[in-house]
Formats: sequence, structure tokens, C-alpha cells
Amino acid sequence: DTGVSQNPRHKITKRGQNVTFRCDPISEHNRLYWYRQTLGQGPEFLTYFQNEAQLEKSRLLSDRFSAERPKGSFSTLEIQRTEQGDSAMYLCASSQTPRGRTYGYTFGSGTRLTVV
Amino acid sequence: QKEVEQNSGPLSVPEGAIASLNCTYSDRGSQSFFWYRQYSGKSPELIMFIYSNGDKEDGRFTAQLNKASQYVSLLIRDSQPSDSATYLCAVGAGTASKLTFGTGTRLQVTL
Repeated sequence: DTGVSQNPRHKITKRGQNVTFRCDPISEHNRLYWYRQTLGQGPEFLTYFQNEAQLEKSRLLSDRFSAERPKGSFSTLEIQRTEQGDSAMYLCASSQTPRGRTYGYTFGSGTRLTVV
Repeated sequence: QKEVEQNSGPLSVPEGAIASLNCTYSDRGSQSFFWYRQYSGKSPELIMFIYSNGDKEDGRFTAQLNKASQYVSLLIRDSQPSDSATYLCAVGAGTASKLTFGTGTRLQVTL
């Protein structure tokens, strides 16, 4: 396993279009997270899954954002009716929680979204 | 008040010196603490985690945690130019909860 894989690496879209990103976590990791990062800021939490269950979604996340993790494997993040403010790096991360503890996330390379 | 605060820097240290990076957090109940390094244009990579008060050492890196003061720091000994990056502090409310990140401190190691 080579780590967390995200596709595409870059996406340029016109305002109002829908986009979908994919994340393949490390296979033995039960948790999967989506974060968003803009220039000069730290990663901002969007949502996370434990296996196939979506356990938490940020209150900052509008209804235009939806995420799925069917069968507890890969995950997709969809943004509908994109806006210029959605331009950011979208980071996926995964982790294990042995004995109820996390020992840090492994991040993917990210998908950079530019809305024009 | 931000949940996790870091000085944005840049923090400039000469090669071979000790770099000290600091982070404060607002949730007194926080239980897990992490330091990530992020090179420009790359994703964050985990350096260290710490759960208990005190120091934890790993090679040139030492994480220090003081829960009473709500303060966590990262020391980098014998700083190298390759250490130049942004260092992100991340805090978890529980031992297996999502992490909240600070805005990061940019470190510059000069020759």
C-alpha cells in the first residue's frame, strides 16, 4: 500500500458546475477525513467517516457539499454549484484507531480546486 | 478566540541552532496533540504526537506538553535547511476525535 491516494490532483471548473473528488485511504485504516486548506491557513475540517458511517460534518459545510464512503473503502466528495470561494486544496486523510486512540493522520497529496 | 493558535512567523534560525515552535489551545479537555510539517505546495506530514504532560523525544525533535497551561511546543535541535517548512499544530478533543489545526508557523533555517 503506497499511502492515501487522491484524484484528480488538479481541477479547474467554471462557477456553477459540479465537481467530484475521490480518495482511496490506506487499506487497513478505518477512519477517513476530508479537510480543506486555503493559502496561509491550516487545514479546516469538513467531515469524517468511520468505516462507512459519516460520524461528523462541519457546521461550516453548506448543503452544496456531500461526501460518501460506500462499503467503507474509498470516499468521494462532491461540491454542487461551485462558487469562487470553494477554490482551495481539498485534503483527504486516513487513520487507524487501535484501542480507541488515533496516532495521527496520513494525508493524501490533495486535490487543488480552482473555480473560475 | 481561535481554538488552536500559532505565531505565523516566519521564525528564522541559523543552521545548527535550536528552533522552538509554540502552540496554545483553548479547549481544556483536549487529549491528543500532534505536530505536522508542510512543505510549500505539499500536504502535511506527521512529525510527532504526544498525549501526556512532559517531553517526548524522537531524533532531533522534542514535543513538550503542558495541559495546565494549555500549551504544546516543538523543539528542533541542530536545525537544517531542509527543516524549512510550515509547522502545523493539531489538537484532538479526545483520543480518537477529529483534529483541529492551527494556521501554522513558517520556519526558515538560514545557512
